[in-house]
Amino acid sequence: DARVTQTPRHKVTEMGQEVTMRCQPILGHNTVFWYRQTMMQGLELLAYFRNRAPLDDSGMPKDRFSAEMPDATLATLKIQPSEPRDSAVYFCASGLGDSTNEKLFFGSGTQLSVL
Amino acid sequence: GESVGLHLPTLSVQEGDNSIINCAYSNSASDYFIWYKQESGKGPQFIIDIRSNMDKRQGQRVTVLLNKTVKHLSLQIAATQPGDSAVYFCAESPTAGGKLIFGQGTELSVKP
Repeated sequence: DARVTQTPRHKVTEMGQEVTMRCQPILGHNTVFWYRQTMMQGLELLAYFRNRAPLDDSGMPKDRFSAEMPDATLATLKIQPSEPRDSAVYFCASGLGDSTNEKLFFGSGTQLSVL
Repeated sequence: GESVGLHLPTLSVQEGDNSIINCAYSNSASDYFIWYKQESGKGPQFIIDIRSNMDKRQGQRVTVLLNKTVKHLSLQIAATQPGDSAVYFCAESPTAGGKLIFGQGTELSVKP
């Protein structure tokens, strides 16, 4: 059963530390999205990629967040330095990026707590 | 200190009844709409989608209705079951193959 895999599932860290979250999209999917979910803001789009190229990262705080796709099987989201307000659940999603089939498949998320 | 969270709209229904979850979207140019279900501790899960050239689409026990005139989307769940308890999100995409923008979410609670 194909699925999006995210690691780690949970991360607790101290303010100022670097955090790296990883995502393995479904094989064959060419779009990858990063969303952040909090009680206050709901699901916010941070960045997305098509064919490994970043298309839109306007939702991401540029000074501390970075998103990359080193290869087609790995997407990373880094926060450096982390702050308590970054505490949230971070979801990765992938899709075919086809105009006839746009639905996204979500991973289980990384729950981040910054103390 | 105490944090103030966003209180999701809540819909409480009796098992076996039909549920209707509503969503107002913002962009009149949006071409594609989708409903997701999110259970506690899990990622959003696809339920059903619809394009702007349709006003109704049916799946298994679910129906999505689209009213472009008033920018309104609804999800109907027939014979609601306890397993349907979750938060339901609508999402819109302004362009084909583009990014999905999510709504606030509605919490559905099914009483046995």
